[in-house]
Amino acid sequence: DAKTTQPNSMESNEEEPVHLPCNHSTISGTDYIHWYRQLPSQGPEYVIHGLTSNVNNRMASLAIAEDRKSSTLILHRATLRDAAVYYCILRDPGGGADGLTFGKGTHLIIQP
Amino acid sequence: DVKVTQSSRYLVKRTGEKVFLECVQDMDHENMFWYRQDPGLGLRLIYFSYDVKMKEKGDIPEGYSVSREKKERFSLILESASTNQTSMYLCASSFLQGPGDTQYFGPGTRLTVL
Repeated sequence: DAKTTQPNSMESNEEEPVHLPCNHSTISGTDYIHWYRQLPSQGPEYVIHGLTSNVNNRMASLAIAEDRKSSTLILHRATLRDAAVYYCILRDPGGGADGLTFGKGTHLIIQP
Repeated sequence: DVKVTQSSRYLVKRTGEKVFLECVQDMDHENMFWYRQDPGLGLRLIYFSYDVKMKEKGDIPEGYSVSREKKERFSLILESASTNQTSMYLCASSFLQGPGDTQYFGPGTRLTVL
């Protein structure tokens, strides 16, 4: 899987939007962009994924740059429960089931 | 909602013991995975299975084996536990194969080997 770069940590206030950036300049044309998060003492949790177009679901939105070399996970109204490590990963169409590889991710801190 | 459950949240074993970690998913997923997660090393794939009785080695299979006798259950076995197997063990399942698949994780088992 191609490499991604994320800030080590970010801080935001409760009830404000949060924009978590991810750079993936070596992305190939068929790589999917996935986001997972991991709350303290819990297993990772799927957040959202996309290929080219922006995506929305009940948890978040994913904005993908036109050249696909970067993307942004948007939490529209952060709560204390959103404090977690957020991982941006790329999945290539190698075929078959394979494992996820997480980098260090972004530690999101939410201030009340 | 998909539910992946693991048999224990915390486990303490002694060196040389045989250890069984159980994982059950309730969404009829084809694929199941075992990972370990260690500070500074991230998430590493131990084994995965894409069908009953099928298994594939991941990145770090040494010292581990797996069993998948039923679709919903995937077991990780430490034949002779060692202190370097102290870790957080995570089970996951997914329906699809390929880059669009979404993996659903269990809560994890924190194993300590003394």
